[in-house]
Amino acid sequence: QKEVEQNSGPLSVPEGAIASLNCTYSDRGSQSFFWYRQYSGKSPELIMFIYSNGDKEDGRFTAQLNKASQYVSLLIRDSQPSDSATYLCAGHMNRDDKIIFGKGTRLHILP
Amino acid sequence: GAGVSQTPSNKVTEKGKYVELRCDPISGHTALYWYRQSLGQGPEFLIYFQGTGAADDSGLPNDRFFAVRPEGSVSTLKIQRTERGDSAVYLCASSPGLGEADTQYFGPGTRLTVL
Repeated sequence: QKEVEQNSGPLSVPEGAIASLNCTYSDRGSQSFFWYRQYSGKSPELIMFIYSNGDKEDGRFTAQLNKASQYVSLLIRDSQPSDSATYLCAGHMNRDDKIIFGKGTRLHILP
Repeated sequence: GAGVSQTPSNKVTEKGKYVELRCDPISGHTALYWYRQSLGQGPEFLIYFQGTGAADDSGLPNDRFFAVRPEGSVSTLKIQRTERGDSAVYLCASSPGLGEADTQYFGPGTRLTVL
């Protein structure tokens, strides 16, 4: 099992709807998780990090962490065409103290 | 500088040649990471430094790859005897240190093409 797994997509969501992106991880001891957005040809940019169980909200974005089930999700409300990008989930692995990325999910917001 | 910088932005080389990729992290950031990203994939961990020392180099694919950070700031990723399979975008990221919620800030990357 890969350490951080994401569905590669593409995920197509109508403009104005909620986009839901999911990620699972294998290292139960992992402490913190990150969501990055990457536009084509650009480097990743941080959207949010989360390390406590539950929800964390920042504007249109909500990150959710469930350590018992080992999954992390990102919700994007009121999706905009500019949200179309690849979303990378990353986890800070506890056992060897490094950050591992998933393959990313391509999100396409339909105008 | 304001952010992480990487040079060169693009590097085209021939199979068998030696290349050096440079990363200049955000001032004061003690942790520095190198990743490799191929098309359609997430960043693949190569190595990270905490200060001057390589804290984990388990992601380096083989002994052709080597990285240094002699003064705890700028880092150089060195690739010997390049192969076509080394073609990728090499990303560098820095963070203030290691910890639960340490955020990495990425540079623009170096696109390496091995002909």
